[in-house]
Amino acid sequence: QVQLQESGPGLVKPSQTLSLTCTVSGGSISSGSYYWSWIRQPAGKGLEWIGRIYTSGSTNYNPSLKSRVTISVDTSKNQFSLKLSSVTAADTAVYYCARAVTGYDSSGYYNWFDPWGQGTLVTVSS
Amino acid sequence: QSVLTQPPSASGTPGQRVTISCSGSSSNIGSNYVYWYQQLPGTAPKLLIYRNNQRPSGVPDRFSGSKSGTSASLAISGLRSEDEADYYCAAWDDSLSGREVFGGGTKLTVL
Repeated sequence: QVQLQESGPGLVKPSQTLSLTCTVSGGSISSGSYYWSWIRQPAGKGLEWIGRIYTSGSTNYNPSLKSRVTISVDTSKNQFSLKLSSVTAADTAVYYCARAVTGYDSSGYYNWFDPWGQGTLVTVSS
Repeated sequence: QSVLTQPPSASGTPGQRVTISCSGSSSNIGSNYVYWYQQLPGTAPKLLIYRNNQRPSGVPDRFSGSKSGTSASLAISGLRSEDEADYYCAAWDDSLSGREVFGGGTKLTVL
């Protein structure tokens, strides 16, 4: 069964770029019609969708973060990555990667996340 | 401020039935599917309900989802202590070029 694992620095200085990688195991990142997504959660708060990438390289970003976010994929390594630039303390959160099952039918658009990585805490502080 | 609105808290005693509501708009719940995620303390969210009312394998049938218009709800029957968790609803929103939106989460306490 597919498993996801986030990795990257746990501490980033303000104004710098946050970089995280999600490694997919138990299956190929290129198989199936999935989007690979990033979601974050500040301590004690709710979930915020950051964006997603298809293995073709097609991306969608949350409009509130779009100017600072880049998501990329490396199919040879079975990984996808997140870069968030010009970070501030407001970007401190647990960052999750997840696989998204996505499509459209007569009842609307579907986009559910399963499975999720365990999450990694990124703190923005000098 | 979350796009989808959930009550911040809910509670019940073991064996009771509890419902959690999720309110949205025509651009999200009103036109797309709803999902529910369960987040146990200190863990990552887990898919609980997909496509409004479908349960992934392994999710007990005590959990059920429904949708009507621009609102959805999650019902938990036969409440158990291990159901104490945060619950989030989610849906795709067609505005602003499309984005996934979440509710603010509901903390369920089993008394």
